[in-house]
Amino acid sequence: DVKVTQSSRYLVKRTGEKVFLECVQDMDHENMFWYRQDPGLGLRLIYFSYDVKMKEKGDIPEGYSVSREKKERFSLILESASTNQTSMYLCASSWGTEQYFGPGTRLTVT
Amino acid sequence: AQSVTQPDIHITVSEGASLELRCNYSYGATPYLFWYVQSPGQGLQLLLKYFSGDTLVQGIKGFEAEFKRSQSSFNLRKPSVHWSDAAEYFCAVGAQGFGNEKLTFGTGTRLTIIP
Repeated sequence: DVKVTQSSRYLVKRTGEKVFLECVQDMDHENMFWYRQDPGLGLRLIYFSYDVKMKEKGDIPEGYSVSREKKERFSLILESASTNQTSMYLCASSWGTEQYFGPGTRLTVT
Repeated sequence: AQSVTQPDIHITVSEGASLELRCNYSYGATPYLFWYVQSPGQGLQLLLKYFSGDTLVQGIKGFEAEFKRSQSSFNLRKPSVHWSDAAEYFCAVGAQGFGNEKLTFGTGTRLTIIP
């Protein structure tokens, strides 16, 4: 079975902090994705990566950056966390169109 | 650009009753279509997918969905729901072809089951 893991299930950070969310997949997938999920808005794509060191902006990249130094690991970085970044963050990976999701990280910024 | 509409934000059904969740998509060619389920506090799990061929697809947990090109729909059905089906359901559309890895998700339908 494909396994996608995220470093934290729950995270509480203060405004202005630098925040790292980590995602690891164990199936040698080329593609990895970061989404944020908010009530009534569904899943919105922040960034995705189609290869090591390659990335592409999604629909809402502002305030976020990403890093993919190894194929299995994709990190989402909030350079200076703000309260409007309080959300559920979901990581996914795929080798084609079918995506496999991690359990999510619920981030609260106070 | 592709898009997905799930017109029902919240649906309540009785345990044992039948279920249909609606999904309409917009895409210029034949799309890839998916239904995912998210239990409370969890990530998304794939229920079923349509790529081509038979327009009625079977998934896990007794769910099925039918692709209707003329209606641009991909509705999810289950003949008899169980309390454990209470969750949020997301329809998603993807583009066919190399390099089209991204999915566009609907806003979700929350399903409540009453005893």
